[in-house]
Formats: sequence, structure tokens, C-alpha cells
Amino acid sequence: EIVLTQSPGTLSLSPGERAALSCRASQTFSSSQLAWYQQKPGQTPRLLIYGASTRATGIPDRFSGSGSGTDFTLTISRLEPEDFAVYYCQHHGSSFGQGTKLEIK
Amino acid sequence: EVQLVESGGGLVQPGGSLRLSCAASGFTFSTYWMAWVRQAPGKGLEWVANMNGDGSEIHYVGSVKGRFTISRDNAKTSLYLQMSNLRADDTAVYYCATYGVMAAITDWGQGTLVTVS
Repeated sequence: EIVLTQSPGTLSLSPGERAALSCRASQTFSSSQLAWYQQKPGQTPRLLIYGASTRATGIPDRFSGSGSGTDFTLTISRLEPEDFAVYYCQHHGSSFGQGTKLEIK
Repeated sequence: EVQLVESGGGLVQPGGSLRLSCAASGFTFSTYWMAWVRQAPGKGLEWVANMNGDGSEIHYVGSVKGRFTISRDNAKTSLYLQMSNLRADDTAVYYCATYGVMAAITDWGQGTLVTVS
């Protein structure tokens, strides 16, 4: 079973800043198997990125994903107030990372 | 529009059993992989189990193997999770979910709370 480790645990930034969230895997896998989700309090998760870099339907282009092998990154180019949430990476529809909380500084 | 509606959650004593159900609509249920994902109070997401369209391929997270059983009834467009020998650390909201392209989860139910105490 692949273990995903996300860092940092909490990221404190201001609106307008750039955010970079990391997801590191315990072993190499195809980038087609990596997805990112956003979850806000009291809501179900929302798919942001699949295949490591493809935005899901309706996701703004300020969200981008990159990486390969064991290291993957979710980048939010300019933070909007609605972007402050918890973000999870997931491998091939199974194991999730522990999440990164993006909070307003 | 995809709809996933879970039911069957509740309060159960340690060692007890519970069966969760998920009624699906709005898509061709029999052709989709389905999953159960849980989230303990204030904690992160944990994938529990998944199953392919005809039920021939099933996977579980290690902590539930031998205790939980995922199943489906394509005629009833329903997904199930039979949980036995429940423990306090199984306490969570359990979500029914469906997969889209590249095994990413595209749709989630609203969840059903299971409390083991």
C-alpha cells in the first residue's frame, strides 16, 4: 500500500499570494494515478486535479498540478478567499494523504 | 445528475455490526467502480474499500480487512458496506463515492455517521 505524506500540515498565507502544497509518495507510481481534492468545513470533498495535472470540470485555472515519480505539487497561483480549505492528495482512488490545511494569515 | 444517498449509520457498541447502504441514481451504476471513504471527527479522509462494476474486483484498506465487506446490487443500483467487530476507531462519517476518469473520485454522497461507543 502506497503511503502519501503531505506537507506542510498547515500553510498560512494571505489572499493574492501563491500556495504550493506537496504530496510525497512512499514509492514511485504513474502520474496518471494522482488526484487532488479540496474540502471546506461541513462539505464533501471536491475533485480539483486528476492525472496529476488535469483540472477537473469547472476548476479555475489558478489551480495547477505537477510532479512525477514520488513528488507531486498542487499550486494555487493567486489565493482567493474561497480557496482557504483543506487539501488532500490521493493515489489511484485509494490511499489519501493526511491533508494540508490552508489558512488565512 | 449523479445522486448518492447513504443510510444505515447510527450508534453501535464495540464488537457490534452495522450495514450501510448507498442508493445511487443518475448514471449507469453497473459500469462504475464504487468506493466507501470515511472521515473520523476532525480528521482526514480515509479510503475504506472499493469494488468494480460487476463485483469481481474488490480492495480494502488493511485496518478493515476481515471485518468489513463491500458489496453491490446492480439491479437495485445500490452499494453496501457490512461492518462487523466494530471498534471505537471505526467512528466516522462514511461516504459513498463513485469514480471517474483516471480513478479520481468525482461524486460523493452526503455521508452517514457511525458511532462506536
